[in-house]
Amino acid sequence: DIQMTQSPSSVSASVGDRVTITCRASQDIHTWLAWYQQKPGQAPKLLIYGASTLQGGVPSRFSGSGSGTDFTLTISSLQPEDFATYYCQQANNFPFAFGPGTKVDVK
Amino acid sequence: QVQLQESGPGLVKPSETLSLTCTVSGGSVSSGSYYWTWIRQPPGKGLEWIGYIYYTGSTSYNPSLKSRLTISVDKSKNQFSLKVRSVTAADTAVYYCARVDTAIDFWGQGTLVTVSS
Repeated sequence: DIQMTQSPSSVSASVGDRVTITCRASQDIHTWLAWYQQKPGQAPKLLIYGASTLQGGVPSRFSGSGSGTDFTLTISSLQPEDFATYYCQQANNFPFAFGPGTKVDVK
Repeated sequence: QVQLQESGPGLVKPSETLSLTCTVSGGSVSSGSYYWTWIRQPPGKGLEWIGYIYYTGSTSYNPSLKSRLTISVDKSKNQFSLKVRSVTAADTAVYYCARVDTAIDFWGQGTLVTVSS
């Protein structure tokens, strides 16, 4: 099974900061990588799929990159509504696996 | 807009079977374009993929849970269901049903299931 890791596990940031989250797969998943945002008490929300394709309605300050085993999610200018936990997930083969999450909180 | 809604008991006794149903609206579980999946999240922890079903009835389960799982689909009701047998406290979680396209694009709101006597 493919294992997913994320770093950092948490990051403290301020509004306007650039935030970068890294996700690594234990084997090549090409670009079968998605990013989700989850706020407390809510279901996760799809942000990016195919490693870099923005889901409809997601602000352009979110971007994704990478292929193979190494991926990044970047928030170019953090907004108040972006404080949340972010998960990566591989969609290359079953069983799908999620990363452990990265919590973005207020500095 | 596709909507998914989980339903089922919020409390299950240890060793019994957890049963949840997901009702889909605004879309069809008979569509060959999507998989229908269950995901869970223990309180304060991360996301765990449970398994999926395709409209043909084909399934795939997380190996760590496979021996206790059944996912089924009822096309007439536009629903799919999850059964987890022989539950323990470790199965306490928020359970989400969701649709899989190239990623998990629509999620239910989630339902908390607590395993306790």
